[in-house]
Amino acid sequence: AQSVAQPEDQVNVAEGNPLTVKCTYSVSGNPYLFWYVQYPNRGLQFLLKYITGDNLVKGSYGFEAEFNKSQTSFHLKKPSALVSDSALYFCAVRARDDKIIFGKGTRLHILP
Amino acid sequence: EAQVTQNPRYLITVTGKKLTVTCSQNMNHEYMSWYRQDPGLGLRQIYYSMNVEVTDKGDVPEGYKVSRKEKRNFPLILESPSPNQTSLYFCASKVAGGPYEQYFGPGTRLTVT
Repeated sequence: AQSVAQPEDQVNVAEGNPLTVKCTYSVSGNPYLFWYVQYPNRGLQFLLKYITGDNLVKGSYGFEAEFNKSQTSFHLKKPSALVSDSALYFCAVRARDDKIIFGKGTRLHILP
Repeated sequence: EAQVTQNPRYLITVTGKKLTVTCSQNMNHEYMSWYRQDPGLGLRQIYYSMNVEVTDKGDVPEGYKVSRKEKRNFPLILESPSPNQTSLYFCASKVAGGPYEQYFGPGTRLTVT
């Protein structure tokens, strides 16, 4: 079965510290993987995606993500967290027939 | 400005009263989709469409209908809403196929009493 898992409902990080939001996936074939962010009372915004090639993908707002095929993971990272990074983050994978599967989301709290 | 618009943004209705939530995009995208967002359940796909007159069920299609008569519009229809359809709904669009990201509308918060 095709699926996306975000094992942490919430992640708390002190401002200035590095952050990681975890995502693992299960999909047949080569995956297209995405991260989206949702700020309060807003729709989702695209952050970054993995298609092929370099396992480290850079995106908006200083975020990056590391693709690991053997661990079927696509963790979101940032070297130094900002309070303004506090939001809800979703990992997604494009499955067959262009169906998009989202994880349940991880709420990121950056503590000042 | 490239955007996905949804109307209404907020709606309170009663059980059984038919309603339609409109979605429109100005990016000439072939692919459009509807999601519902519920606490603890994340984002679940209701229906999607890969082009005009082509629609497919997502993970939670029961109780919903869609149509795709024009490329830019993808309305979500609740013929007989029930309280368990109280949720936050998002429409999204993208280029069909391939590794393309979705563009999301601002959301419609629906309450069914």
